[in-house]
Amino acid sequence: NAGVTQTPKFRVLKTGQSMTLLCAQDMNHEYMYWYRQDPGMGLRLIHYSVGEGTTAKGEVPDGYNVSRLKKQNFLLGLESAAPSQTSVYFCASKGELYTGGVSGNTIYFGEGSWLTVV
Amino acid sequence: DQQVKQNSPSLSVQEGRISILNCDYTNSMFDYFLWYKKYPAEGPTFLISISSIKDKNEDGRFTVFLNKSAKHLSLHIVPSQPGDSAVYFCAASENNQGGKLIFGQGTELSVKP
Repeated sequence: NAGVTQTPKFRVLKTGQSMTLLCAQDMNHEYMYWYRQDPGMGLRLIHYSVGEGTTAKGEVPDGYNVSRLKKQNFLLGLESAAPSQTSVYFCASKGELYTGGVSGNTIYFGEGSWLTVV
Repeated sequence: DQQVKQNSPSLSVQEGRISILNCDYTNSMFDYFLWYKKYPAEGPTFLISISSIKDKNEDGRFTVFLNKSAKHLSLHIVPSQPGDSAVYFCAASENNQGGKLIFGQGTELSVKP
């Protein structure tokens, strides 16, 4: 019962270093997302993908790149890390939901990746 | 420009009483609204949702109310339990926008025994 899995869970980077966060989902979902959570800011969408081979910008895309080469994986890259990118990152995928007599969609989140840039 | 706002960063309620969490939005194109619950060091988990064609949705102790004219939704938890203590996020989405959710800042609920 894996759902959405993120790796690594914790990472400390030096300013200017690069890294990639990996997200994997086993629910055959088309849509996937990367969010960041900062105190007092809620969750903000970085990038998202509506299917294999597609990516699109969210609310705060600057400083990040993404790739969706396989349907089950969505990678988030930091080319040159900055202290402002210290945050908790959440990957998510969208699936159908039926509740209260209404059919809709909900987003399922991974457990988060804690990134510190020093 | 914050399209979804939760103006109360925290809320404290006695066990057994009602908890009411509020959320306001500005984008009239939003047509689907959700509430998520988040414990420390975990990812948000889905709690309850409501479509813009309804004004109320109920699931056990949780009820979400939507007032489209006021662009306001609320989550009621009755009765509140200590295990409900968590951060609650409201979120909204617009049809045909890639399913992306716009989140509020969150409200930290503390239910005291």
